[in-house]
Amino acid sequence: DIQMTQSPSSLSASVGDTVTITCRASQGISNYLAWYQQKPGKVPKLLIYGASTLQSGVPSRFSGSGSGTDFTLTISSLQPEDVASYYCQKYNSVPWTFGQGTKVEIK
Amino acid sequence: QVQVVQSGAEVKKPGASVKLSCKTSGYTFTAYYMQWVRQAPGQGLEWMGIINPTDGNTWYAQKFQGRVTMTRDTSTTTVYMELSSLRSEDTAVYYCARGKLVVTLSSAFDIWGPGTMVTVSS
Repeated sequence: DIQMTQSPSSLSASVGDTVTITCRASQGISNYLAWYQQKPGKVPKLLIYGASTLQSGVPSRFSGSGSGTDFTLTISSLQPEDVASYYCQKYNSVPWTFGQGTKVEIK
Repeated sequence: QVQVVQSGAEVKKPGASVKLSCKTSGYTFTAYYMQWVRQAPGQGLEWMGIINPTDGNTWYAQKFQGRVTMTRDTSTTTVYMELSSLRSEDTAVYYCARGKLVVTLSSAFDIWGPGTMVTVSS
């Protein structure tokens, strides 16, 4: 099975900072990658699909890039409401594996 | 209005089985795949499997093969996930989530149910 490795596992940044989270696949997955945001006690929410397509209604400060094995989620100006855990998920072939998650906090 | 409603919390003893439901409405039930994902307390998301509501075809994570069964009822637009031989490590919130793309297995998931808490304890 293809493994998905996210880094870092957690980060702390100031409001207004640019935050970058990476997700690496152990084999190429083309652009079959999604990013989800999960706020504490809430249901996961789709942010990005197709590695770089912003889901409707998601603020434009979120962006995704990458293809093949290396992917990035960027929050261009961190806001207090962005405190959450972020997960990548591959969906090119079974199993649809998640990364282990990145917890984002405000400094 | 697309809606996904999951069944209520369950408490089970080790060795028992649990069958969870995911009732959908507001869209063509057979047009979108449905995945099941679980999250143990304080842990990350874990993919369990996916079902094609059109024909009932399923794909399961290797970890759950032999213990999980996903089914659907097109008359009630409901999908089910049954997990057997429960152990304490199965204590988690279980989510169903609908695929974003029509009739496409390889799709992200944009509509998530609220989750069902399953507690396994003697």
